Amino acid sequence: AQSVTQPDIHITVSEGASLELRCNYSYGATPYLFWYVQSPGQGLQLLLKYFSGDTLVQGIKGFEAEFKRSQSSFNLRKPSVHWSDAAEYFCAVGFNFGNEKLTFGTGTRLTIIP
Amino acid sequence: DAGVTQSPTHLIKTRGQQVTLRCSPISGHKSVSWYQQVLGQGPQFIFQYYEKEERGRGNFPDRFSARQFPNYSSELNVNALLLGDSALYLCASSLEVGDTEAFFGQGTRLTVV
Repeated sequence: AQSVTQPDIHITVSEGASLELRCNYSYGATPYLFWYVQSPGQGLQLLLKYFSGDTLVQGIKGFEAEFKRSQSSFNLRKPSVHWSDAAEYFCAVGFNFGNEKLTFGTGTRLTIIP
Repeated sequence: DAGVTQSPTHLIKTRGQQVTLRCSPISGHKSVSWYQQVLGQGPQFIFQYYEKEERGRGNFPDRFSARQFPNYSSELNVNALLLGDSALYLCASSLEVGDTEAFFGQGTRLTVV
């Protein structure tokens, strides 16, 4: 069965430090990959997406992600986090055609300490 | 431009009741999807509609139904509410089905008591 795994439930990072959030998927072909961010009580905002082409994808707010087919991974990175980055982050995969039937991971809650 | 709008923002219902949630997509967007997000979990796909036709359905019971209107707005109906239906219900719209971005609304927080 198709699935998305975010192994880290909660990550705490100091402001200004680098960040990497992990995402692994299980699927036989190349999926469409997304990272969304959710602030408390809010909907989801798209940070970046990968459909094809360059495996290093740049997104909004200084985030980037790299698709590694051999590892079935799509990890999210940011070189220097800001206090405003504290939120819940979701990796999602579209297994059919892009935005159809997105399957989400369980999320990683990011806490930023001064 | 207005984003995806959902109404109401909060709702409290009693077990066994029925509820209707509403979603207005971004102007020009023809596809609407519904997701259920239980506290502490990621969103789960419920339905996708495109051009008023059901495009896909997730693993939810028949108590859940939806429809899309000619103006592309959508309603999600849930009958015979259970305590486990308490969740944030998210609507997402996209221009087309396929490799276009899905934009999410703020959601409707449903509490079943």
